[in-house]
Amino acid sequence: QSALTQPASVSGSPGQSITISCTGTSSDVGGYKYVSWYQHHPGKAPKLMIYEVSNRPSGVSNRFSGSKSGNTASLTISGLQAEDEADYYCSSYTSSTTVLFGGGTKVTVL
Amino acid sequence: EVQLLESGGGLVQPGGSLRLSCAASGFPFSAYAMTWVRQGPGKGLEWVSAIIDSGGATFYADSVKGRFTISRDNSKNTLYLQMNSLRDDDTAVYFCARGRNAMSSVTIDNWGQGTLVTVSS
Repeated sequence: QSALTQPASVSGSPGQSITISCTGTSSDVGGYKYVSWYQHHPGKAPKLMIYEVSNRPSGVSNRFSGSKSGNTASLTISGLQAEDEADYYCSSYTSSTTVLFGGGTKVTVL
Repeated sequence: EVQLLESGGGLVQPGGSLRLSCAASGFPFSAYAMTWVRQGPGKGLEWVSAIIDSGGATFYADSVKGRFTISRDNSKNTLYLQMNSLRDDDTAVYFCARGRNAMSSVTIDNWGQGTLVTVSS
């Protein structure tokens, strides 16, 4: 299976909002509510930011929000901060009872 | 505090075998599904395998099916990944990770720091 499609990079200035898309098919993103988003600073353990499309784990800033429309899920970061600079990955459950990750998006704070 | 500590990585020749271990602490290990995720050099995350809380069901990515075996010892709070017939493209950092509940690791809520596996002659 091919990875879910994410933009390679997204950038924004401090205080701005950015949105990262994650496009799959009806056999993964479009077919299930099990879409997650992870923040990964290279060399560190990834961190869960959003689960089941739009739920935020305790301790995650409410500047992070998730949504889904059809086969595309989105992660929005509002009030962009320097600490948000990282790689972001989406993942989805699939009809093959596996999990598929996106290719990753590098977020740069200008 | 949830802690996941991977070990067993290293350099192995193509066609060789390696067993990764993940020592878990800070939570009731037997109550959670567990998973392995890897990241190749310069690449994104790739889901590898998962196992439910009891060990009674396992799941694999097509890229490793038939070559890798996931298992767990709940008495030792340890997760394993037996990797056979290793190929160059198995070179990656392997992360041990915890699912959010007993039956599913579709959502991963805690990750280890990873262990590097290098397949090269």
